[in-house]
Amino acid sequence: DSGVTQTPKHLITATGQRVTLRCSPRSGDLSVYWYQQSLDQGLQFLIQYYNGEERAKGNILERFSAQQFPDLHSELNLSSLELGDSALYFCASSVGVGQGYEQYFGPGTRLTVT
Amino acid sequence: GQNIDQPTEMTATEGAIVQINCTYQTSGFNGLFWYQQHAGEAPTFLSYNVLDGLEEKGRFSSFLSRSKGYSYLLLKELQMKDSASYLCAVRAGYGGATNKLIFGTGTLLAVQP
Repeated sequence: DSGVTQTPKHLITATGQRVTLRCSPRSGDLSVYWYQQSLDQGLQFLIQYYNGEERAKGNILERFSAQQFPDLHSELNLSSLELGDSALYFCASSVGVGQGYEQYFGPGTRLTVT
Repeated sequence: GQNIDQPTEMTATEGAIVQINCTYQTSGFNGLFWYQQHAGEAPTFLSYNVLDGLEEKGRFSSFLSRSKGYSYLLLKELQMKDSASYLCAVRAGYGGATNKLIFGTGTLLAVQP
């Protein structure tokens, strides 16, 4: 158990819908990262927050957005869902953003869009 | 641009040693990580290299050559539970402003009896 929690564990929804994935980082970790893992691709970095501020963006679609709240939990919002958005979504956290800070991954949310 | 290459699959025998290679081309290199991922589960941290050389951690060792853009993960005394995907990831960013990881597609290792 990494100490990072994600809810829900599974999510099944229809195309065109909107969903929110939630992540609570390990106690004391200030930085949160979101990754997408689909069957035909490796882990793709989406976005990073540090202490409430956006720090880095990967290939995140405009239909996707995220935020980190004052209590440091984070939410990833996915809207106008398409079949291709079906994937495992992982959240990770680390203490800081300097060299050597390893990222601890949550168990993931499996999103199925039908 | 960012590019990380690993073999797609490898097979090894229980009790043996296996080396998984990773080559990378990235800008703003700030370290290389290896993660283990069992199917459908979260990646778990194995090792980290930021300077050239070998880092040893029990049955796992990782090597880095920054000039060659090359790393390998060495697994000794293989066990059946080591069957998993092994992900090479490069930390990219300048000035410590970010800690985003760029992952390779992973090497699926099958350990056979």
